[in-house]
Amino acid sequence: QSVLAQPPSVSGAPGQRITISCTGSTSNIGAGSDIHWYQHLPQTAPKLLIYGNNNRPSGVPDRFSGSKSGTSASLAITGLQADDEADYYCQSYDNGLSGSPWVFGGGTKLTVL
Amino acid sequence: EVQLLQSGGDLAQPGGSLRLSCAASGFTFSDFAMTWVRRAPGKGLECVSSINGPGDTIFYADSVKGRFTISRDNSKNTLYLRMDSLRVEDAAIYYCAKLQGATYPTYHFDYWGQGSLVTVSS
Repeated sequence: QSVLAQPPSVSGAPGQRITISCTGSTSNIGAGSDIHWYQHLPQTAPKLLIYGNNNRPSGVPDRFSGSKSGTSASLAITGLQADDEADYYCQSYDNGLSGSPWVFGGGTKLTVL
Repeated sequence: EVQLLQSGGDLAQPGGSLRLSCAASGFTFSDFAMTWVRRAPGKGLECVSSINGPGDTIFYADSVKGRFTISRDNSKNTLYLRMDSLRVEDAAIYYCAKLQGATYPTYHFDYWGQGSLVTVSS
């Protein structure tokens, strides 16, 4: 069980807006650690979508945005498109773990109806 | 252009060993921490191991500690993952990734390798 909790699935129709939540704790998001988001399509490498809570790498459309508040964060996708269908992961740094301090959420499967 | 080219994925028996490699180009390899991330069938992403630029600070997930060894050869711009005492649950696609950030709490994975399939079965 991940220290960052995400809903297992979300869905939306083309053109709609969806959000994916990422809930952490006082040892990660609440401690001020940045939140980053990745898109993972089958048979491809994960792709950095949002870094530093709300920054988009070059080439990522502004339909994707991130926010953070307290011990939670969210990824929003507007103008949903068929090729947005993928798995989405949040990632952060946790200062309370014995192993690797960089952790991922459990992932959220986005289905475009 | 940053490129991470992986090799070494294969089939191994439980208890066996494998070594993955990740050849980097397009950036000053020795300046950046690197990591191995895996995704097992039906599961999410897991950060397996990370190593800093000089190679003297290393982290391992509890699930692989004592069995996996991360290393790097900065003269060859190559990252390695030696996997010993393999278990069925280690079967996954393994990705190498470059870490980017100013401090540990800001670190994220900005470039990824293409993935290496590791199968563990008798």
